[in-house]
Amino acid sequence: RKEVEQDPGPFNVPEGATVAFNCTYSNSASQSFFWYRQDCRKEPKLLMSVYSSGNEDGRFTAQLNRASQYISLLIRDSKLSDSATYLCVVNKAGNMLTFGGGTRLMVKP
Amino acid sequence: DAGVIQSPRHEVTEMGQEVTLRCKPISGHDYLFWYRQTMMRGLELLIYFNNNVPIDDSGMPEDRFSAKMPNASFSTLKIQPSEPRDSAVYFCASSFRLNTQYFGPGTRLTVL
Repeated sequence: RKEVEQDPGPFNVPEGATVAFNCTYSNSASQSFFWYRQDCRKEPKLLMSVYSSGNEDGRFTAQLNRASQYISLLIRDSKLSDSATYLCVVNKAGNMLTFGGGTRLMVKP
Repeated sequence: DAGVIQSPRHEVTEMGQEVTLRCKPISGHDYLFWYRQTMMRGLELLIYFNNNVPIDDSGMPEDRFSAKMPNASFSTLKIQPSEPRDSAVYFCASSFRLNTQYFGPGTRLTVL
């Protein structure tokens, strides 16, 4: 079983739609959680950290469920520019990040 | 400020040749990471350094891979000899302490 698992998608949604991605992780000792965004043929970039109480950044909402070991990302009012691969990332110890395989989102006009 | 710089951006080589990838981290960052990304395996951590010292190299696939960080502003990842299965995008990232990791643009390696 992979340490961080994501549905690879693609998720094809129309502009303005709300879309949600989930991610599960296997190591209960994991300490920090993040969502990274990766555009085609580009490097990953931090989208947002995920806090235990849940957090929001504009149209993006991230939530963490430690008991069930899953993380979610909700995108409201999708824009064409949201089309990318979203990587679920878990920090289990020190500064070592473990990346999920990514979920591809395609927002269509 | 300049971000993480990697060179070359693209490398095409023949099987058996030595390949050297280079990275300049963001000035002031004390952690440096080397990752490899493939379609099959996704993004994998190969090795990371703290204050120029290798901390964990458990992700290095085999002895053909080696990494060095002779000073705070430069690191290399070397593959010798290279094989077709080494074809991937290699990313370098850096961070200050345990804060956000910033990735370089990557080196796209093709081994024929």
